[in-house]
Amino acid sequence: GAVVSQHPSWVICKSGTSVKIECRSLDFQATTMFWYRQFPKQSLMLMATSNEGSKATYEQGVEKDKFLINHASLTLSTLTVTSAHPEDSSFYICSAAHPQDEKLFFGSGTQLSVL
Amino acid sequence: QKEVEQNSGPLSVPEGAIASLNCTYSDRGSQSFFWYRQYSGKSPELIMSIYSNGDQEDGRFTAQLNKASQYVSLLIRDSQPSDSATYLCAVNLGGKLIFGQGTELSVKP
Repeated sequence: GAVVSQHPSWVICKSGTSVKIECRSLDFQATTMFWYRQFPKQSLMLMATSNEGSKATYEQGVEKDKFLINHASLTLSTLTVTSAHPEDSSFYICSAAHPQDEKLFFGSGTQLSVL
Repeated sequence: QKEVEQNSGPLSVPEGAIASLNCTYSDRGSQSFFWYRQYSGKSPELIMSIYSNGDQEDGRFTAQLNKASQYVSLLIRDSQPSDSATYLCAVNLGGKLIFGQGTELSVKP
C-alpha cells in the first residue's frame, strides 16, 4: 500500500507550549489529507480536512485557532497544537487520500502528552 | 443515531474459528465502505474495501455489504492469535471517512 510518514511518533511538552506534527505522503501526491484524534479506547474522530493550497475545513467543535493546519504542498500537511493543555493529550493521526481511489492511508500517529 | 455503529465487544473466539464483525451506518447514500485493523498504540491498517452489494473475499477475510439494510460485516476465517486487535468500520460520508467505535477482537490459542 501507499506510504504516509508522520512524525514525531511521540512528544511530551509543557502546558502552554506549541507542538507541530508533520504528515507526508511519500509515494503519491495527496490533494486531500485528514487529521484525526483518538483518545484511549475510543474511535478516531475527524478533526479537519486539509486541502492543498486552501484553508482547512474543521469539524464541528474543533477550534481552528488552536489546531492550525497547513497544507503547503501535495505531499506535506502539518498540524500545530497551539498553547497545548493536558486535555489535548491524545493520539493524533494523519491520513492521505490516494488520488487513484478513495482509499485512505494512515501515518503512524503521534502520541502527544502535555504535562 | 451515530453515523457508523459497531458493537464494541470484546469479541472472543477460539483459534481456528470464524470471527464475525458487524457494522451499521445511517446514510443511505454512502457508497464506499472500509474495514481497518488497529493494534494497540498503532495507527489503523486497511484490510478490506467494498463498494457493491454482496461478498468480497481476500485471503481469510470476507467483507459483506447489504445497502438495503445499511449493514456491512467482516468475516475472518481460521482466526489466529495475531488477529487480536480492534477492527474499525469506516464509511465514506460526503468525501470524509467516518469511523465506528471499533470492535475489540480477542483470539484465544
